Amino acid sequence: EAQVTQNPRYLITVTGKKLTVTCSQNMNHEYMSWYRQDPGLGLRQIYYSMNVEVTDKGDVPEGYKVSRKEKRNFPLILESPSPNQTSLYFCASSTMAGAKNQPQHFGDGTRLSIL
Amino acid sequence: KQEVTQIPAALSVPEGENLVLNCSFTDSAIYNLQWFRQDPGKGLTSLLLIQSSQREQTSGRLNASLDKSSGRSTLYIAASQPGDSATYLCAVFVSGTYKYIFGTGTRLKVLA
Repeated sequence: EAQVTQNPRYLITVTGKKLTVTCSQNMNHEYMSWYRQDPGLGLRQIYYSMNVEVTDKGDVPEGYKVSRKEKRNFPLILESPSPNQTSLYFCASSTMAGAKNQPQHFGDGTRLSIL
Repeated sequence: KQEVTQIPAALSVPEGENLVLNCSFTDSAIYNLQWFRQDPGKGLTSLLLIQSSQREQTSGRLNASLDKSSGRSTLYIAASQPGDSATYLCAVFVSGTYKYIFGTGTRLKVLA
């Protein structure tokens, strides 16, 4: 079954404790992306990757890191989490055909609470 | 800077009505526009994707149109059903940057 898998689904942690949210897709997609969703602000893109070893900032990259060492995986790293990073996070992937990418497939989300 | 707006923010209609959701964007330099559905506590499901060279796409009771020059897209839902109740989001894929910009969504409730 084609899917985007995020782990963990829920996490409560404390300020400053490094954490990683994993994202894996089994569709051989080139494009992968991380979003955060906050009430009243909608979905905002954090980072995206066009392919292995190619990443770029979205609209809200501050406080986050990513890596793309393998095509299927795109982890989101919070080196020193702060309470303002409490949010619902989504990973998504899609295939690229030149500039005309195909529909994004989304994971089920990770609800992150930082105390 | 690209901005995406969805109006109305919330909508409540009786079952069976045809309805239109609106999405507007400020910069016509886009590769495509995509409509999604989000159920409470769930991820997003892609409904329709319209490439910048296309005018509309249809899937079942859904029809999405795109007018790039005026910066507008509409999602038409025919014969609405209670199962259509969800939040509907549009997103543009920005030319040159490969970024996605989302609207804040329209929360739809279809009453039985």
